[in-house]
Amino acid sequence: QQQVKQSPQSLIVQKGGIPIINCAYENTAFDYFPWYQQFPGKGPALLIAIRPDVSEKKEGRFTISFNKSAKQFSLHIMDSQPGDSATYFCAAAPFGNEKLTFGTGTRLTIIP
Amino acid sequence: NAGVTQTPKFQVLKTGQSMTLQCAQDMNHNSMYWYRQDPGMGLRLIYYSASEGTTDKGEVPNGYNVSRLNKREFSLRLESAAPSQTSVYFCASLRGAGNNEQFFGPGTRLTVL
Repeated sequence: QQQVKQSPQSLIVQKGGIPIINCAYENTAFDYFPWYQQFPGKGPALLIAIRPDVSEKKEGRFTISFNKSAKQFSLHIMDSQPGDSATYFCAAAPFGNEKLTFGTGTRLTIIP
Repeated sequence: NAGVTQTPKFQVLKTGQSMTLQCAQDMNHNSMYWYRQDPGMGLRLIYYSASEGTTDKGEVPNGYNVSRLNKREFSLRLESAAPSQTSVYFCASLRGAGNNEQFFGPGTRLTVL
């Protein structure tokens, strides 16, 4: 069963726009929510992560927004650049559990 | 530091052949993972090892076996490859002790004919 639902599957945004990728989860035991970025031919790499004690976390141009009551979290990329073109995966894990459940991924393309 | 390394990078097998995918990490991490990545399916956990000598099944373990040879190495074996095992395989490691960041290798692209 898919415990983390990610949308959209693909997204095309013009340079400077703000792509938003959404994830929803079902397991209320999840308490760690990372986003991974993957470039073609490479392995995923951690981009940013949040725990449910805060509603927002920013690192540079990347922001996670977290809504605990709705069981949803999203990634926003400010001032997007062609170099941000990649596949993005959300994930989740319960407290003390080192196994991540990944979403299905979003292929993001930023056009100049 | 090389991080997480995987061999081979590419492999083509015929149905029924066997092979072992190798993974090694030089970050002294305790936990290691094997995932497969398929279009539209995301990353799915095949097997997990919390420490040397221990392994645990993930979401899609059927058709695979693993060995945690020592703290550095975690191998994935396909005993009798099937076309459904055509995928990109990623190995990852995790520091643990409260740090949940997984570090991924570059992947192995496997095609089973």
